[in-house]
Amino acid sequence: AQSVSQHNHHVILSEAASLELGCNYSYGGTVNLFWYVQYPGQHLQLLLKYFSGDPLVKGIKGFEAEFIKSKFSFNLRKPSVQWSDTAEYFCAVAYSGGYQKVTFGTGTKLQVIP
Amino acid sequence: DTGVSQDPRHKITKRGQNVTFRCDPISEHNRLYWYRQTLGQGPEFLTYFQNEAQLEKSRLLSDRFSAERPKGSFSTLEIQRTEQGDSAMYLCASSLRQTWATNEKLFFGSGTQLSVL
Repeated sequence: AQSVSQHNHHVILSEAASLELGCNYSYGGTVNLFWYVQYPGQHLQLLLKYFSGDPLVKGIKGFEAEFIKSKFSFNLRKPSVQWSDTAEYFCAVAYSGGYQKVTFGTGTKLQVIP
Repeated sequence: DTGVSQDPRHKITKRGQNVTFRCDPISEHNRLYWYRQTLGQGPEFLTYFQNEAQLEKSRLLSDRFSAERPKGSFSTLEIQRTEQGDSAMYLCASSLRQTWATNEKLFFGSGTQLSVL
């Protein structure tokens, strides 16, 4: 069964600091990988996704993630965070081919201090 | 606003009662998903429909849970004989199946928060 691990449950950063959130998955086959974000009081939104091709994926709002197959990792990065990035971030994985049975990690709460 | 609507937003019920939630997906979306999220956890897959067909169910979905999507549009999730462990946020999501999977995008609703007393 596929599983997703997010190592940091709560991260506190000052504005302009760099961000890296860890994500590891267990499934050894071909996977699709996602990062979702949930801003306070809002629904889950797709931040970025990896299906194939360039392992460095760029998403919205300056976020990017790198798929490293050998490490089963898909870490999220942003060079300089803003207060508006305060949210909960979920890494997710699905079997290749679509969204069926997407498995989510437990989430990382990011708090950015002005 | 993503366009996925869920009703009600909050539901408080007593243990043993039945509850039903509704999800209206984005109108042209043919895939609909139900997830459950508890405090401190990510969303857990429950089931999904393609049009009116329920194609997959998680083993998390016990016999007390049933989901329908009778006309391939809105969906309902019913929980019978609720238990305190059913307390969670129930999320609905929809997508439009694409020829190329890379183009498919999942849209989530705001969820129904269930509290079983």
